[in-house]
Amino acid sequence: QKEVEQNSGPLSVPEGAIASLNCTYSDRGSQSFFWYRQYSGKSPELIMFIYSNGDKEDGRFTAQLNKASQYVSLLIRDSQPSDSATYLCAVNPSGGSYIPTFGRGTSLIVHP
Amino acid sequence: EAQVTQNPRYLITVTGKKLTVTCSQNMNHEYMSWYRQDPGLGLRQIYYSMNVEVTDKGDVPEGYKVSRKEKRNFPLILESPSPNQTSLYFCASSLGTGNEQFFGPGTRLTVL
Repeated sequence: QKEVEQNSGPLSVPEGAIASLNCTYSDRGSQSFFWYRQYSGKSPELIMFIYSNGDKEDGRFTAQLNKASQYVSLLIRDSQPSDSATYLCAVNPSGGSYIPTFGRGTSLIVHP
Repeated sequence: EAQVTQNPRYLITVTGKKLTVTCSQNMNHEYMSWYRQDPGLGLRQIYYSMNVEVTDKGDVPEGYKVSRKEKRNFPLILESPSPNQTSLYFCASSLGTGNEQFFGPGTRLTVL
């Protein structure tokens, strides 16, 4: 069973701080990694994707991938109350299967 | 506007009464999927389709059917719904296996 693990939280950070969200995965051959944000009662929406080892930055968001450690993270700089949501890590498997695995999500609360 | 639509958004039904949830995308995506989301269990894939007339089981296919007669449509069919199928359902589409998924707004189903 291919697994994606996330701390369910909630992770509580003050406004303006850096929020760090982490995800580990079991399928060593995984090729692509995604972070989705989901507000309560809404559908997931893509925040970042990353395919290669290292960092990828987009505005206040940075995704970090370490394939050797099977670890992907999302950093949110200058956190805002509007960032309060559940963040889902998704991993697309190796081997041609199209069954992406989602973590259960980390709830982030940014308090003023 | 590029989007995935689902209907109905909310449905309350009774055990054993066949129902269909429709899903349509206007982005000419080849890949489409159905997920259910339950508290504490995250997003789990029910079925997916890689193209017209090509469908395959996801992680939790029992009790569900799908069809893909046209590229844009991917309906989810519950032949004989049971209370354990009460859930929030999302349809999603993507350009390919390594690409982000675009999610529909969700269908909240209650089976009494």
